[in-house]
Amino acid sequence: GIQVEQSPPDLILQEGANSTLRCNFSDSVNNLQWFHQNPWGQLINLFYIPSGTKQNGRLSATTVATERYSLLYISSSQTTDSGVYFCAGVGAADSWGKLQFGAGTQVVVTP
Amino acid sequence: NAGVTQTPKFQVLKTGQSMTLQCAQDMNHEYMSWYRQDPGMGLRLIHYSVGAGITDQGEVPNGYNVSRSTTEDFPLRLLSAAPSQTSVYFCASSIRQASSGNTIYFGEGSWLTVV
Repeated sequence: GIQVEQSPPDLILQEGANSTLRCNFSDSVNNLQWFHQNPWGQLINLFYIPSGTKQNGRLSATTVATERYSLLYISSSQTTDSGVYFCAGVGAADSWGKLQFGAGTQVVVTP
Repeated sequence: NAGVTQTPKFQVLKTGQSMTLQCAQDMNHEYMSWYRQDPGMGLRLIHYSVGAGITDQGEVPNGYNVSRSTTEDFPLRLLSAAPSQTSVYFCASSIRQASSGNTIYFGEGSWLTVV
């Protein structure tokens, strides 16, 4: 399977600040996705982004598959953005259901 | 439409006991998976299924069994619980869509402690 590395591991933001989270993966990957886990443990799918750029409100994501990285942008952060952000993907040679997660970026947004 | 339902939410087991974590989805999804989440390690895949009657191992399958007799249900069995299996367990389901990949829906998690 693929290796997925996320940086930074922790991030503290003041409300209103912008930030960028990075996800590097070791090999060709399909099905690159970003997830948010809120402080209560709930996991929500944010983006399916195997390549290109997508935006959803204050969040956007870009994947450059040829260079094996993806970025998640948080603009005008709010306290509700706090939690852990995970990226995950499936190796090109793996079954579609075999999703591999990074260790996550813990984000704390302070008022 | 309940989505993905996991039970129990909390469980304490003694070493050597067996138990089953239940997972059910009502979205007719073909893919179902079990993950465990340990501090600082993200989610690791235990077992997954691409349809009824088809299962495969993930990254950390030892000590766990699964079966998929119906599309809706994907139970995870701990055969002989060990303290190393203390973790939070998440069940997930998804369907592969051409435009959006396989959007994944997670259950609320099951907190398991083995003493």
